[in-house]
Amino acid sequence: QKEVEQDPGPLSVPEGAIVSLNCTYSNSAFQYFMWYRQYSRKGPELLMYTYSSGNKEDGRFTAQVDKSSKYISLFIRDSQPSDSATYLCAMRITDSWGKLQFGAGTQVVVTP
Amino acid sequence: EPEVTQTPSHQVTQMGQEVILRCVPISNHLYFYWYRQILGQKVEFLVSFYNNEISEKSEIFDDQFSVERPDGSNFTLKIRSTKLEDSAMYFCASNTGKLFNEQFFGPGTRLTVL
Repeated sequence: QKEVEQDPGPLSVPEGAIVSLNCTYSNSAFQYFMWYRQYSRKGPELLMYTYSSGNKEDGRFTAQVDKSSKYISLFIRDSQPSDSATYLCAMRITDSWGKLQFGAGTQVVVTP
Repeated sequence: EPEVTQTPSHQVTQMGQEVILRCVPISNHLYFYWYRQILGQKVEFLVSFYNNEISEKSEIFDDQFSVERPDGSNFTLKIRSTKLEDSAMYFCASNTGKLFNEQFFGPGTRLTVL
């Protein structure tokens, strides 16, 4: 079983729709959860960083963590064509440093 | 805004040749990382580096790989004898090591081994 599972997509939505992304993980030692956005042939860029179970909101983005189910989600409201990218979930065990374990990434296409 | 930089953006080499990929982490960061991403696959951790020594490495990071911080600003990844399967994007990242801090990634070096 892979440590982090993420549906690779592609996920195509019309402009203005809500984008829903998720990852599951198997290692209960993961405590810190991140969502990165990656444009083609570019480095990952951090969008959201969460620690405890629950919701965290930042503008149009909402991250959810359910540690009991080992499940994390990212929602993008009022999606724009500029949101078209690959979204990577990532997680790690330690709070301040250490390797990130990435999901495969979900390609999102927002059509005008 | 400070950023991680990497050079070159694209490196083409022949199988068996040595390559050195260079990174300049953000200046006040203390932890440095290399990741790689083979085309169409996920980002994979290679190695982390702190206080001038490797703190963790993955199974991928075998004897053909080495890292170095030759001065106060550069962080390098050397592949001694490249293989075809080393072709990938290589990302450098850094962070401060403080609580809840993020890793900042560079734009990557695309390595093509022929």
